[in-house]
Amino acid sequence: QQKVQQSPESLSVPEGGMASLNCTFSDRNSQYFWWYRQHSGEGPKALMSIFSNGDKKEGRFTAHLNKASLYVSLHIKDSQPSDSALYFCAVSRVNNNRIFFGDGTQLVVKP
Amino acid sequence: GPKVLQIPSHQIIDMGQMVTLNCDPVSNHLYFYWYKQILGQQMEFLVNFYNGKVMEKSKLFKDQFSVERPDGSYFTLKIQPTALEDSAVYFCASSLRQGARAEQFFGPGTRLTVL
Repeated sequence: QQKVQQSPESLSVPEGGMASLNCTFSDRNSQYFWWYRQHSGEGPKALMSIFSNGDKKEGRFTAHLNKASLYVSLHIKDSQPSDSALYFCAVSRVNNNRIFFGDGTQLVVKP
Repeated sequence: GPKVLQIPSHQIIDMGQMVTLNCDPVSNHLYFYWYKQILGQQMEFLVNFYNGKVMEKSKLFKDQFSVERPDGSYFTLKIQPTALEDSAVYFCASSLRQGARAEQFFGPGTRLTVL
């Protein structure tokens, strides 16, 4: 059974700062990685995906994947108060719809 | 953007009763999912559904659980009978394509409390 673990559990950064979220997974056959963001009272919303080793940048968000190290991360540059939310790492295998979620990192961006 | 709706937002029932959770997926999506999240724990996959059939289910999808989407209406999760351990937030999701590369769109969840 895939284990997906996130750290830190909670993170507080000042507005304009950099937030770094980490995620490790246990299944070496994992192929697809997503970051989801959940604001209070809403369902998770996909932020970005990364399927190849290396970095992927979308605006202020950069995901990094290292499959050999079983590690994926998300970095948020120039953090805004609206980025305050619960962030989930989600991991899947090839040809499989099932997503395994981490337990989330609560990000607070202070004005 | 595309929205998934869930009805009701909160349901309180007595143990042993039946409950139906309703999901209105994104209109052109073909694949549907239910996830369960117990307070303070990870969100966990229950089941995915396509073309009228369960494609895959997890160990959490007990015999008391069933899903259906009659005539393209709501995608429903029925629990009969309910147990105390069924108390959780249930999230519905839908996707246009199959596979882990496809983005899943989630509803806001239904909080189920079994007394």
